[in-house]
Amino acid sequence: GQQVMQIPQYQHVQEGEDFTTYCNSSTTLSNIQWYKQRPGGHPVFLIQLVKSGEVKKQKRLTFQFGEAKKNSSLHITATQTTDVGTYFCAGRQTGANNLFFGTGTRLTVIP
Amino acid sequence: DGGITQSPKYLFRKEGQNVTLSCEQNLNHDAMYWYRQDPGQGLRLIYYSQIVNDFQKGDIAEGYSVSREKKESFPLTVTSAQKNPTAFYLCASTQTGGGNYGYTFGSGTRLTVV
Repeated sequence: GQQVMQIPQYQHVQEGEDFTTYCNSSTTLSNIQWYKQRPGGHPVFLIQLVKSGEVKKQKRLTFQFGEAKKNSSLHITATQTTDVGTYFCAGRQTGANNLFFGTGTRLTVIP
Repeated sequence: DGGITQSPKYLFRKEGQNVTLSCEQNLNHDAMYWYRQDPGQGLRLIYYSQIVNDFQKGDIAEGYSVSREKKESFPLTVTSAQKNPTAFYLCASTQTGGGNYGYTFGSGTRLTVV
């Protein structure tokens, strides 16, 4: 079955440092989405990538979809304490009806 | 304001009891989903529904049941057959099924077996 793995599982950074989380699928994806879940909260949709090699930016966040559409990354420049939370990727296998969520990367930002 | 509402926020269940978690949305979304999240874990799909009066099992449907009698509502029943029900339950909805649109999540229900 489809599997979506994320690395690292945990990341601690000093405020101001950069952060990257990687998402890898065992199968080709038709699209990939990213979500952020604050501690004690619920996942909130950030963005969707559809095209091979696509890059999108939201302020300090940069999202990439791999050329083979099997991997993706989220990069945060100059982290702030408000970036704390767990970041999930979620991919849809071609022909499937649902998203499959990754295992998540939990980010801690040390002030 | 449009949104998705889950209730209750906290729920305690005695062993052997069935409990029902409520999920209501006023976003006019066709598709609705139930996920289970265990501490430090990702989201696992329990059931989903793409249209009224139809629903499908997800990856971990055993011990759970759902209904979709109205577009706005997708309640989840955790039955006594679910061996380890203590978890955070998240309901989500999206415009149409298929994962082409972002999901809107409710604020979740924390279920504890006592």
